[in-house]
Amino acid sequence: GAGVSQSPSNKVTEKGKDVELRCDPISGHTALYWYRQSLGQGLEFLIYFQGNSAPDKSGLPSDRFSAERTGGSVSTLTIQRTQQEDSAVYLCASSSRQGRNTEAFFGQGTRLTVV
Amino acid sequence: GDSVTQMEGPVTLSEEAFLTINCTYTATGYPSLFWYVQYPGEGLQLLLKATKADDKGSNKGFEATYRKETTSFHLEKGSVQVSDSAVYFCALNGNNRLAFGKGNQVVVIP
Repeated sequence: GAGVSQSPSNKVTEKGKDVELRCDPISGHTALYWYRQSLGQGLEFLIYFQGNSAPDKSGLPSDRFSAERTGGSVSTLTIQRTQQEDSAVYLCASSSRQGRNTEAFFGQGTRLTVV
Repeated sequence: GDSVTQMEGPVTLSEEAFLTINCTYTATGYPSLFWYVQYPGEGLQLLLKATKADDKGSNKGFEATYRKETTSFHLEKGSVQVSDSAVYFCALNGNNRLAFGKGNQVVVIP
């Protein structure tokens, strides 16, 4: 596609349920990032993929969070046993290569509300 | 670890006023520096970047200069428009990970 696509755009879930958030990066982009944006906070890094491997998953806030990427393309962020503090906008970004000069392109995000 | 600090609080100013948003960073090595902008209802998009000391990034009338000696990358625009109302994020990339500041909401009043 033309840009980074995330789905769903909005998700309301009950506390304790599991949720899956999907990211389709720009075709050919090898690097993929997940961030979390909470109200009044900056962007919190969660995990980074290069191809299908995740050399840096240090930002995942707890073991309830996991992510995978298959075929060097689509990525899924899974949150198990959701808590109210998980409510946030989850952003995905991709870039054409790794390296500090590379621009990251962001999707519109998934707004997760845990009730 | 790498981090970015932006000035606290929203910024409200009148059309055609001068805008400055401060950004300082802490990083090992030689990061690249970025400003991203998030317009209402839209995703983040790159506004400008600088990849080495003394580089000046510019776009849409905005400018920022990479100052290694003061570890800063302040964003400036000489004459803002209502359409510049958005949230602005400073970021650095030092190790294959973009580290962001908390962002500043800018509101331009006609």
